Amino acid sequence: NAGVTQTPKFQVLKTGQSMTLQCAQDMNHNSMYWYRQDPGMGLRLIYYSASEGTTDKGEVPNGYNVSRLNKREFSLRLESAAPSQTSVYFCASSLIPGPQETQYFGPGTRLLVL
Amino acid sequence: AQSVAQPEDQVNVAEGNPLTVKCTYSVSGNPYLFWYVQYPNRGLQFLLKYITGDNLVKGSYGFEAEFNKSQTSFHLKKPSALVSDSALYFCAVRYTGGGNKLTFGTGTQLKVEL
Repeated sequence: NAGVTQTPKFQVLKTGQSMTLQCAQDMNHNSMYWYRQDPGMGLRLIYYSASEGTTDKGEVPNGYNVSRLNKREFSLRLESAAPSQTSVYFCASSLIPGPQETQYFGPGTRLLVL
Repeated sequence: AQSVAQPEDQVNVAEGNPLTVKCTYSVSGNPYLFWYVQYPNRGLQFLLKYITGDNLVKGSYGFEAEFNKSQTSFHLKKPSALVSDSALYFCAVRYTGGGNKLTFGTGTQLKVEL
């Protein structure tokens, strides 16, 4: 039982390049989330998927797109990377989308945009 | 609206001494409060949460947290700190009617010294 896995672990991009961050969970969770972590700002929600087939914007969605490929996988795409998107990206999942539900996090992807 | 404040960027404690990491919150409904820990270059690990009921919540690795509604606080505590407790600690809040947004504090770096 691997929990939440993310690939790649580290990526360097040039401004304007595109890439997709992959996330998968094997806990049979219904809800999945993408966060970014920046120094001194905690974690901020980019997008989430309450259940398979649905996605919604979070706090900082601009410059990102997501795809809930199936119940297990939730990908985050940067169409045209900008230096402001340099960050650590975390994927998380929870059994259901309720406010009392615990979210479980992956190990993160470090992204550097030059 | 919801917000979380962690007033201390860093807390230093001697091994064997009790530790407290402070958290205060502001929500417009019933709060659901969480503590997570992040070790270097790792994802966030769930420690404990308050949903309802007993104001003293016990969690992983000997940590506990006290919910105080009148002071809108949810401080993390441990009776005897270990060097291995050194990490970055995040408080987070959700509330009924707040959708799926989990709001994180900015984090407190705990350093436990011999």
